[in-house]
Amino acid sequence: AQTVTQSQPEMSVQEAETVTLSCTYDTSESDYYLFWYKQPPSRQMILVIRQEAYKQQNATENRFSVNFQKAAKSFSLKISDSQLGDAAMYFCAYRRGNRDDKIIFGKGTRLHILP
Amino acid sequence: EPEVTQTPSHQVTQMGQEVILRCVPISNHLYFYWYRQILGQKVEFLVSFYNNEISEKSEIFDDQFSVERPDGSNFTLKIRSTKLEDSAMYFCASIGYATNEKLFFGSGTQLSVL
Repeated sequence: AQTVTQSQPEMSVQEAETVTLSCTYDTSESDYYLFWYKQPPSRQMILVIRQEAYKQQNATENRFSVNFQKAAKSFSLKISDSQLGDAAMYFCAYRRGNRDDKIIFGKGTRLHILP
Repeated sequence: EPEVTQTPSHQVTQMGQEVILRCVPISNHLYFYWYRQILGQKVEFLVSFYNNEISEKSEIFDDQFSVERPDGSNFTLKIRSTKLEDSAMYFCASIGYATNEKLFFGSGTQLSVL
């Protein structure tokens, strides 16, 4: 069975600094997708960034980028120039390549931004 | 951007009562999901639904739970006899035809069982 592990329950970063959230996953599939979701206090699930496993290039979205290491099954999220609005719970997630397959979430990392 | 709509945003019920949580997925989406999140815990998969039938369900989704798409637009989750441990945020989600389309989540229904 596929699993997603986030080993950092909480992290803190100074405003304007860079922080990296870690995620590892386990799968025997070759076709899959990886995601980072942000959940602010409103509890809305917001997609931050998505990576297709067949793409070697790391995905980037403005201040958010990933370091995708397929052989190591590692998928970390880097947030540059941290802002107060980045404070939230961040979930790493995995989905197989099949159309109707579910997303599996890690336990999350709570990110605090220090002013 | 299109939205998945969930109603109500909060639902309070007595233990043993039936509740129905409602979702309106994005109109051209084909795959629908329910997830739940107990406060402070991770988001857990409950059930997926495609072509008017359940594709997959988790061990959480026991006989007390059911889903249906009664009219081609709404997607409902029914809990027949609620238990205290059913208190959670319930998220509906949908995705379109292409596998790399993102999963759109609704804003959730917070269910409190007293």
